[in-house]
Amino acid sequence: QSALTQPASVSGSPGQSITISCTGTSSDVGGHDYVSWYQQHPGKAPKLMIFDVSNRPSGVSNRFSGSKSGNTASLTISGLQAEDEADYYCSSYTGTSTVVFGGGTKLTVL
Amino acid sequence: EVQLVQSGAEVKKPGESLRISCKGSGYSFISYWISWVRQMPGKGLEWIGRVDPSDSYTNYSPSFQGHVTISADKSISTAYLQWNSLKASDTAIYFCARRQAAGTFQYWGQGTLVTVSS
Repeated sequence: QSALTQPASVSGSPGQSITISCTGTSSDVGGHDYVSWYQQHPGKAPKLMIFDVSNRPSGVSNRFSGSKSGNTASLTISGLQAEDEADYYCSSYTGTSTVVFGGGTKLTVL
Repeated sequence: EVQLVQSGAEVKKPGESLRISCKGSGYSFISYWISWVRQMPGKGLEWIGRVDPSDSYTNYSPSFQGHVTISADKSISTAYLQWNSLKASDTAIYFCARRQAAGTFQYWGQGTLVTVSS
C-alpha cells in the first residue's frame, strides 16, 4: 500500500489559481470516488477541505474545488490568499476498509 | 459540538509500553469509526488503522500491523492506540480522527506528541 504521489511544493501569487495533483492507482484513487483533501497549518491538526472528490464541507470557501480523472485527483485553489499557505494532503479509500494518504504538498503564497 | 480530546505528550524509553487515548464527545461515539494517523517530525500523514467503537472491530495499514494495537471502550467514549515495545522511530505526533464517510475524516483530535529516546 504505497502513498499517493503529490508534488512536494507548489507556489502562486495572491489572486492566482494553483492546482495540486494526487496520483494513485486503480486500487485507490481510480477505483473509488472517495478522495479527500486536507489543509494543515504548522502545529495544527489537519482540516478537511474536500471529500468524495469534489464536495466541500460546510464552512469551506468555494475557492477550493476538487476533481478526478482516472488515477489522478486534483485540488484547485482559486483567488489565492496568504492564509492558504499550508501543507495539503490528499487521501483515498482503498476498498479494503483502509485509507492511504499522499506525501503532502507545501503551498507557498508568494 | 463534536470534539476529540487526546491525552497529553509522552516521553518514553525504547522498549517501554505506552497507551494514548482519544475521548469523543458531542456525538454518538458508537456511530462513527475512529482512525489513528501518524505524523513523524517534518513528514506527512500516515494512516495507521481504525476501530469501530460499536464492536471494537479493527483494520490496520500493512505498515503498522503487528506493531500497534487500536482499541475502544464505548462505555467511556474513548479510543486507544497502544505499543508494547516502543522504538525511537515511533517518535511522532499521533492524531485521532473521526470517520465521516469512506476515507473522510472531518473531526480531528489535537494530536499527541510521543517522544521515544534513551
